[in-house]
Amino acid sequence: AQKITQTQPGMFVQEKEAVTLDCTYDTSDQSYGLFWYKQPSSGEMIFLIYQGSYDEQNATEGRYSLNFQKARKSANLVISASQLGDSAMYFCAMRDTTGGTSYGKLTFGQGTILTVHP
Amino acid sequence: DTGVSQDPRHKITKRGQNVTFRCDPISEHNRLYWYRQTLGQGPEFLTYFQNEAQLEKSRLLSDRFSAERPKGSFSTLEIQRTEQGDSAMYLCASTNKEVGTDTQYFGPGTRLTVL
Repeated sequence: AQKITQTQPGMFVQEKEAVTLDCTYDTSDQSYGLFWYKQPSSGEMIFLIYQGSYDEQNATEGRYSLNFQKARKSANLVISASQLGDSAMYFCAMRDTTGGTSYGKLTFGQGTILTVHP
Repeated sequence: DTGVSQDPRHKITKRGQNVTFRCDPISEHNRLYWYRQTLGQGPEFLTYFQNEAQLEKSRLLSDRFSAERPKGSFSTLEIQRTEQGDSAMYLCASTNKEVGTDTQYFGPGTRLTVL
């Protein structure tokens, strides 16, 4: 079974500073996908960034980058130049790739609440 | 492109009543997922469809829950004889397995409150 662990219930960062949100995962699969989603207070899950297990380069999307350390089974999200609008809940998720009919469903961590101070 | 839409956004019902939620995926997305999220937790998988076929159901989905996706387009999730423990956010997501990284895009969710 796959498992995602986010050990930081809450994080605080000053506006314009960088922040790292931690995520570790556990899987016996060789092929898997890792995702980060942002959930503002409105409730919608917003896709931020994706990392495939075979990708050699760390993924980047604008101010978001994913620090992927496969041997340590970690996929930390780095947000650079934080903005007030970044205040939200952030979820790390893994895609099930066990094949057959289970392919594709996401397993989520508990989330980290990020608060950006002006 | 229009995103995933869900209706209603909020539903308040009394215990024992039936409720039905609707999800309209991104057009041409062949996979549709339902998740449930309780307060302070990450979403948990409920069920998914590939086109009109329901391929997997979680053990979280009791007999009171049923989902359909007729014609492989929109999907409905019905909860019969609601219980207070059903209070949660119900999220729908869609993806096209054959395209790119198979990223799931989520709708705004339906927040259910059972009194």
